[in-house]
Amino acid sequence: DAGITQSPRHKVTETGTPVTLRCHQTENHRYMYWYRQDPGHGLRLIHYSYGVKDTDKGEVSDGYSVSRSKTEDFLLTLESATSSQTSVYFCAISESPSSEQYFGPGTRLTVT
Amino acid sequence: AQTVTQSQPEMSVQEAETVTLSCTYDTSESDYYLFWYKQPPSRQMILVIRQEAYKQQNATENRFSVNFQKAAKSFSLKISDSQLGDAAMYFCAYRSPRIGGSQGNLIFGKGTKLSVKP
Repeated sequence: DAGITQSPRHKVTETGTPVTLRCHQTENHRYMYWYRQDPGHGLRLIHYSYGVKDTDKGEVSDGYSVSRSKTEDFLLTLESATSSQTSVYFCAISESPSSEQYFGPGTRLTVT
Repeated sequence: AQTVTQSQPEMSVQEAETVTLSCTYDTSESDYYLFWYKQPPSRQMILVIRQEAYKQQNATENRFSVNFQKAAKSFSLKISDSQLGDAAMYFCAYRSPRIGGSQGNLIFGKGTKLSVKP
C-alpha cells in the first residue's frame, strides 16, 4: 500500500470555524490531490499540487485553500466552514499525470 | 468537458458467479486513461484496474477484466468467480493525459454498489 496518511480521520466542527486537514505521503510523489466525496456525486477534485508551492484549482474549489511547503505534506484549509462542506475528504498522490492515483484513508468532516 | 456515466446504481451477484458493471464516458480526446476503483465499507479507495486508450488489448487483473470499446466509449468491468469480499462501491474514472489545467484530474462516475449474496 502507498504510504499516505490523513489527519484527522474524523472531525466535527461548528459553522464559521477554520479547519485544516493534512495529507502526508512517504512516497516522494510529485503530484498530490484533494477530493471530496458526497452521496450522488462520486469524487470531485478540490485542488491539486504539481510540486512544492505549486497548486491549482479543481472543479469545486470555492471555500477551500491549499498549501504545500514540503513534498510530503499537502494541507487543505476551510477558512470558515459551512454545512455544505460536510463531506468525506480524500487525498491522493501520483508520480505523474499519467500514472495511477493512490488514495489516503479519508477524513470525515461534519460541520454543524 | 469529459463526463463519466455509470447507469447501474446497484447490482447484485451470487457468490462464485460473474457480474459486469457498466461505464460509459464522453470525450473528444483520442488518448486517455480509464480506471476502476473499488471502495469497500472501510471507505478506502482501491485501484482495481487500469486501461490505456491506445492499447487495444483489454486489461486483466486476476478475476477482474475490462471490456474496452473505444468507438462506443464504453468501459465495463467484469468480475469472475465473485467473492463476498468483492462487495463494495465501484467507481469508473477517466483521466486525460494533457498537461495543464487540472493535470491528471480523475473524473469519476457516481458509482455502482455491488452486493454479493452467499
